[in-house]
Amino acid sequence: QSVLTQPPSVSGTPGQRVTISCTGSSSNIGAGYNVHWYQQIPGSAPKLLIYINYNRPSGVPDRFSGSKSGTSASLAITGLQTEDEADYYCQAYDGSLSSWLFGGGTRLTVL
Amino acid sequence: QLQLQESGPGLLRPSETLSLACAVSGGSIKSGTYEWGWIRQPPGKGLEWIGSIHYSGSPSFNPSLKSRVTISVDTSRNQFSLKMTSVSAADTALYYCARNLSGFDVWGQGAMVTVSS
Repeated sequence: QSVLTQPPSVSGTPGQRVTISCTGSSSNIGAGYNVHWYQQIPGSAPKLLIYINYNRPSGVPDRFSGSKSGTSASLAITGLQTEDEADYYCQAYDGSLSSWLFGGGTRLTVL
Repeated sequence: QLQLQESGPGLLRPSETLSLACAVSGGSIKSGTYEWGWIRQPPGKGLEWIGSIHYSGSPSFNPSLKSRVTISVDTSRNQFSLKMTSVSAADTALYYCARNLSGFDVWGQGAMVTVSS
């Protein structure tokens, strides 16, 4: 079980908005450490989607957005597209463990 | 454009030592404040950070793997390496190398390592 908790799966239809949560604790997200998000298309390496809580690398559509509050963070995807179907992971540093952590991952299905 | 490429044996016996190298091309491993890391993904499972290193600093490790892992940098070859001792079936995974500054922004394609007798 991951220290950063994500829902195992979420789903939506094309055009909809979905959110993926990442719940941590006072030693990681709640301690002020930044959260990063990755998208992994099956069979491919992960791709950095959001860095430092809400920033998008060049080339990432603005349909993807990140936020953080307290001990949790969220990834929102608006205008859902079939190519968004993938696994999504959050990442943060844990000061108590002195370790980078990944969430367990969320499988997004576009119905 | 920076590229990373993992290399190493794909099949190991239990108790053997895993050795992987990550070749950095399109840029220098000595540039900036980047760290260079290893992340693994067991088949059908999530990502697990193994450890990271800056070319001029000491490595950091996942506490659960620290006793078995070594990470080093070879600036002359522009590559960094992972060694993991006493492997078992639980270490069967796709091993990625990646660059880290604010998130792991450049990844290799991954190297599959299977541990089986």
